[in-house]
Amino acid sequence: AQTIHQWPVAEIKAVGSPLSLGCTIKGKSSPNLYWYWQATGGTLQQLFYSITVGQVESVVQLNLSASRPKDDQFILSTEKLLLSHSGFYLCAWSFDWGGDAEQFFGPGTRLTVL
Amino acid sequence: GEKVEQHESTLSVREGDSAVINCTYTDTASSYFPWYKQEAGKSLHFVIDIRSNVDRKQSQRLTVLLDKKAKRFSLHITATQPEDSAIYFCAATSGGNYKPTFGKGTSLVVHP
Repeated sequence: AQTIHQWPVAEIKAVGSPLSLGCTIKGKSSPNLYWYWQATGGTLQQLFYSITVGQVESVVQLNLSASRPKDDQFILSTEKLLLSHSGFYLCAWSFDWGGDAEQFFGPGTRLTVL
Repeated sequence: GEKVEQHESTLSVREGDSAVINCTYTDTASSYFPWYKQEAGKSLHFVIDIRSNVDRKQSQRLTVLLDKKAKRFSLHITATQPEDSAIYFCAATSGGNYKPTFGKGTSLVVHP
């Protein structure tokens, strides 16, 4: 069975500080990977996706970057946090047959920027 | 690009009644329409989907209908239970598109 793990569970960070969020998928080789941001109030915004190691596509520009250093790992980061980065960050994976596949979401990371 | 409108922002029903959530999309190329559920304070999880080669799909108390002509799809929940209370998101995408477009979510409250 596949499992998806996100770390940390929650973070409180200062404006201007760096950030690194991680996501690991076990039990599935070559998954498609996705990062989402959910603002308070519920709107879901896709940030990045990756269909292979070392290749990441940006969907929106929010002063964030993403990398896929290993097949099972997806990292979201920024060197300088903004207040607007606060929210719920969700990593998801899907089977690698295309974009038309259900996505399996991780438990998420709650980020508060002060 | 694709736009998905989720028509009901909130929906309140009594336990045992049916609930219907409606979504419309704009891109005729969209061919895959999943639904996700988000319980309070938690992540999303997949509940049901439909592809454009069918117009109806049922899984237990959930049914999804797709009207390609009207570019509309809907989630029907029968015999609602308090544990159905959550935010439901619809989405639309296609095989070559790794950027699903999500609706804004419908908060369903099932009253005992």
